[in-house]
Amino acid sequence: AQTVTQSQPEMSVQEAETVTLSCTYDTSESDYYLFWYKQPPSRQMILVIRQEAYKQQNATENRFSVNFQKAAKSFSLKISDSQLGDAAMYFCAPSGNTPLVFGKGTRLSVIA
Amino acid sequence: DADVTQTPRNRITKTGKRIMLECSQTKGHDRMYWYRQDPGLGLRLIYYSFDVKDINKGEISDGYSVSRQAQAKFSLSLESAIPNQTALYFCATSDHRKEKLFFGSGTQLSVL
Repeated sequence: AQTVTQSQPEMSVQEAETVTLSCTYDTSESDYYLFWYKQPPSRQMILVIRQEAYKQQNATENRFSVNFQKAAKSFSLKISDSQLGDAAMYFCAPSGNTPLVFGKGTRLSVIA
Repeated sequence: DADVTQTPRNRITKTGKRIMLECSQTKGHDRMYWYRQDPGLGLRLIYYSFDVKDINKGEISDGYSVSRQAQAKFSLSLESAIPNQTALYFCATSDHRKEKLFFGSGTQLSVL
């Protein structure tokens, strides 16, 4: 079974600044994948970034990057040059032989 | 047209009523899922299906049942709705465990 902890229920960031959202997880599997999803007020679930656990290189998607520490089971999301449209709930989710398990989420506010 | 379609988008019902939420997809994916979202709790897995003949319970299956009528259709039933089943329900599909989930737009269910 997999468990996920997002220790920051709420975060805020100034527009154009950088913010890091934390995620730790636990899994007994050796081959798994990690995801960050974003949920804006529209309630749509949007994939932000994906990391394959067997890859040491951290994934990057434009302004979004991860810091993946496999031994520590940590998978944090860094958002650079924050924009008003980044305001949303963010969910961390590992996936292995069983379906994705989601963390409780971090609500990110972006201050103009 | 949306790849994953959920109906209805919103539903209000009374305690004790039977209700069905429907999901259909045009992605051609074998894997389908039902998640429930409550404020502060993230998304929790109710049931999942890896192919037409496969049904599996998730973390919170009590009080729910599902039917996989075809590869493209996966419905969720509440046999006798109760107020604590008030939540946002998502259907999702995927092609493989390493791939992202494709989500429907969600069904907001209120049980009075």
